[in-house]
Amino acid sequence: SQQGEEDPQALSIQEGENATMNCSYKTSINNLQWYRQNSGRGLVHLILIRSNEREKHSGRLRVTLDTSKKSSSLLITASRAADTASYFCATGDPGAGSYQLTFGKGTKLSVIP
Amino acid sequence: GAGVSQTPSNKVTEKGKYVELRCDPISGHTALYWYRQSLGQGPEFLIYFQGTGAADDSGLPNDRFFAVRPEGSVSTLKIQRTERGDSAVYLCASSRLAGRDEQFFGPGTRLTVL
Repeated sequence: SQQGEEDPQALSIQEGENATMNCSYKTSINNLQWYRQNSGRGLVHLILIRSNEREKHSGRLRVTLDTSKKSSSLLITASRAADTASYFCATGDPGAGSYQLTFGKGTKLSVIP
Repeated sequence: GAGVSQTPSNKVTEKGKYVELRCDPISGHTALYWYRQSLGQGPEFLIYFQGTGAADDSGLPNDRFFAVRPEGSVSTLKIQRTERGDSAVYLCASSRLAGRDEQFFGPGTRLTVL
């Protein structure tokens, strides 16, 4: 079963604009990770945020976590055509030892040059 | 190696056949995971190894699926009597420590059962 749910399911923006994707989850977590996937193959790890953190930055990426609302957001600033991919959030459930990541269905981002 | 590698990258087989999918984790990573991803879905957990032992195989769909990691490094996912519903991308990941660290994924094996 899939715990996380990304929103929107698909997003299309112009190059240079910012892209915001949201993730909601159901159970308590130890951490939340965001991944990018090109063409339905390997996932690239983007960022991990722990349950005691509220915000984290990595280059053009900004992730927020609100454990009271069980939600997270991923912001990509100054988007590029190369950012076109599917983006997934994944949660580590402490009840399952945190190693078992539960993924949402993903947000498909298209950046138009 | 530099990253997680998986072989083969694509596998086409006939219904009823046996297949083996191989995963070579990042050197030094003690934890190894298998996930399965169907079209349009996120990956779903299958099994997790800590060292040589399968610490959690609760995600394996049935007893046709089995995985081993005999020396605590390379792992093989084995599927017996394949069915068309087994068609998916099988992803392997590894991490330095289970449950606390990022999981790094391989490129996946696309399995097609005809």
